[in-house]
Amino acid sequence: QVQLVQSGAEVMKPGASVRVSCKASGYTFNGYNIHWVRQAPGQGLEYMGWINANSGGPTYAQKFQGRVAMTRDTSISTAYMELTSLRSDDTAVYFCAREPPATAGFDYWGQGTLVTVSS
Amino acid sequence: QSALTQPPSASGSPGQSVTISCTGTSSDVGGYNYVSWYQQHPGKAPKLMIYEVSKRPSGVPDRFSGSKSGNTASLTVSGLQAEDEADYYCSSYAGNIIYVFGTGTKVTVL
Repeated sequence: QVQLVQSGAEVMKPGASVRVSCKASGYTFNGYNIHWVRQAPGQGLEYMGWINANSGGPTYAQKFQGRVAMTRDTSISTAYMELTSLRSDDTAVYFCAREPPATAGFDYWGQGTLVTVSS
Repeated sequence: QSALTQPPSASGSPGQSVTISCTGTSSDVGGYNYVSWYQQHPGKAPKLMIYEVSKRPSGVPDRFSGSKSGNTASLTVSGLQAEDEADYYCSSYAGNIIYVFGTGTKVTVL
């Protein structure tokens, strides 16, 4: 069965960087884009960007450009999202999600990774 | 890119219908037939309920339906059940291979 399993919770200091991983199983990794979405405590979903799992080419939402990097390692079917220069308002649950080709719908999601930014 | 606008809350009694709106612009909702809807229960990951405006993934009950008119998309839940109580988010392709989410609607089953 399709699964996206994310890395565990992180507590980071302001100014630090965090990398969240998303390991895929149960399907051909290269055939689906991986998107990243975050949700601050008690808030709505916020779109961060996506990576073409086949080519490795990323696309970032304007808000995060310059501060986020999305990569993947096809040999271990894993996508990564690194966010730098962390601030307290980056405290959120970060989700990865899979998109079947040309549907613009995210059909499988990771369980979420809580990143807490606190001094 | 601004978030799509949804009503903060909606409610209905069991068996009734509830409709949630999602208003964007001609650059997102109105410009593409790539509107999706997600259901999220507390502490859980979102679940895809509708994609490409009105298509249902396998396993989603046909009580859930989607539509679009101009810059506004809608999700209708018919025959409300207790388990439908959740937060619902719309999402739209917004051009330049970027997406945007709605502000979210809390659905309460009375």
